[in-house]
Amino acid sequence: DSGVTQTPKHLITATGQRVTLRCSPRSGDLSVYWYQQSLDQGLQFLIQYYNGEERAKGNILERFSAQQFPDLHSELNLSSLELGDSALYFCASSPRDFRGGYGYTFGSGTRLTVV
Amino acid sequence: AQSVTQLDSHVSVSEGTPVLLRCNYSSSYSPSLFWYVQHPNKGLQLLLKYTSAATLVKGINGFEAEFKKSETSFHLTKPSAHMSDAAEYFCVVIVLNSGNTPLVFGKGTRLSVIA
Repeated sequence: DSGVTQTPKHLITATGQRVTLRCSPRSGDLSVYWYQQSLDQGLQFLIQYYNGEERAKGNILERFSAQQFPDLHSELNLSSLELGDSALYFCASSPRDFRGGYGYTFGSGTRLTVV
Repeated sequence: AQSVTQLDSHVSVSEGTPVLLRCNYSSSYSPSLFWYVQHPNKGLQLLLKYTSAATLVKGINGFEAEFKKSETSFHLTKPSAHMSDAAEYFCVVIVLNSGNTPLVFGKGTRLSVIA
């Protein structure tokens, strides 16, 4: 157990629907990062939050949004889902901003299947 | 911009023989480099990290990597492969002091270990 908890582990939903993925960071970590892993794109950085504030943004679609709550857990919201959104979504956390270079701790991911 | 190139998408070795997974990086600044491993249906686990200290870095499970600035390489090695090493391996770069840049992943190398 890495200490980063992601729920649910698996999610199957239909096109056009909206889902929410949840991530609880490792105790004491302030930063949360979201990554999407697909066969064709590999691991793509989506977004980072640090202590409740958006800190960095990557290749995140406008249909996707995220937030980090006061208890530091984070949610990734995916709406108007398309077949191409099917992927493994990882959350990672780190003690502070990534510039510490200490590496991240990853959760085990949420596998999203859009049918 | 910083990037990493994993030179082999798939490496196959026999159990007990050496492992070499190759990674070249591109960075305008002094990089921090990592290797992560992903076992099937699992999250990403940090194997080792280089953050400008010793150029030969030892990680978990007998893996090590050597940072070679002149060759811009950070190859991962292990003297003797074990069946449990079969997994996907990712070379990752992060650039310190460069602003809001997250971890940048290579496309991964799938390691197969043959009995």
